Amino acid sequence: NAGVMQNPRHLVRRRGQEARLRCSPMKGHSHVYWYRQLPEEGLKFMVYLQKENIIDESGMPKERFSAEFPKEGPSILRIQQVVRGDSAAYFCASSGSTGAYYEQYFGPGTRLTVT
Amino acid sequence: RKEVEQDPGPFNVPEGATVAFNCTYSNSASQSFFWYRQDCRKEPKLLMSVYSSGNEDGRFTAQLNRASQYISLLIRDSKLSDSATYLCVVSKSNFGNEKLTFGTGTRLTIIP
Repeated sequence: NAGVMQNPRHLVRRRGQEARLRCSPMKGHSHVYWYRQLPEEGLKFMVYLQKENIIDESGMPKERFSAEFPKEGPSILRIQQVVRGDSAAYFCASSGSTGAYYEQYFGPGTRLTVT
Repeated sequence: RKEVEQDPGPFNVPEGATVAFNCTYSNSASQSFFWYRQDCRKEPKLLMSVYSSGNEDGRFTAQLNRASQYISLLIRDSKLSDSATYLCVVSKSNFGNEKLTFGTGTRLTIIP
């Protein structure tokens, strides 16, 4: 049973370019969460999605960032016109219905470097 | 004030010793509590959920004090492989489907 998959694992973009990060949840999971970890900081929630719906985007920056989880295919986190401050590790987590708790399992992350 | 506070450490502990981490949370609406571990440049991995009655998993024991909004993790007979950053995590839901709020982590190094 494959775990959460993310690609690419490493992504280098120049300032002003677009970054697209992909996440495939664990088999049977329909809830996807994106978190960002800046260097030497803790993980911060960005957005929570179910298939075709954004449930909570309270942690998303208002500009340049968007996320989707289409009916078919992986969830996508899109960052337009990247800046150096966007350099971070972006982790995706997924959850399903396991007993009474929806424990979140994390993918290996995408390390974005903006030059 | 941070929503989840942890002593960043580092804790440098000899192999075989017992080590304890503490964590406090500020949101009294928090309902679910977890410890994750994160190895350098890797993803967080769920270590254990924390229940009100306290729970144990092998060498690991977690305790929750709702009145004091305090969570603890005890590691007995520490191994070299326990070296990692330990993340205290809370959620406002006890049915899941809610964002996780992470502490910044406590770094543990087990010394041979």
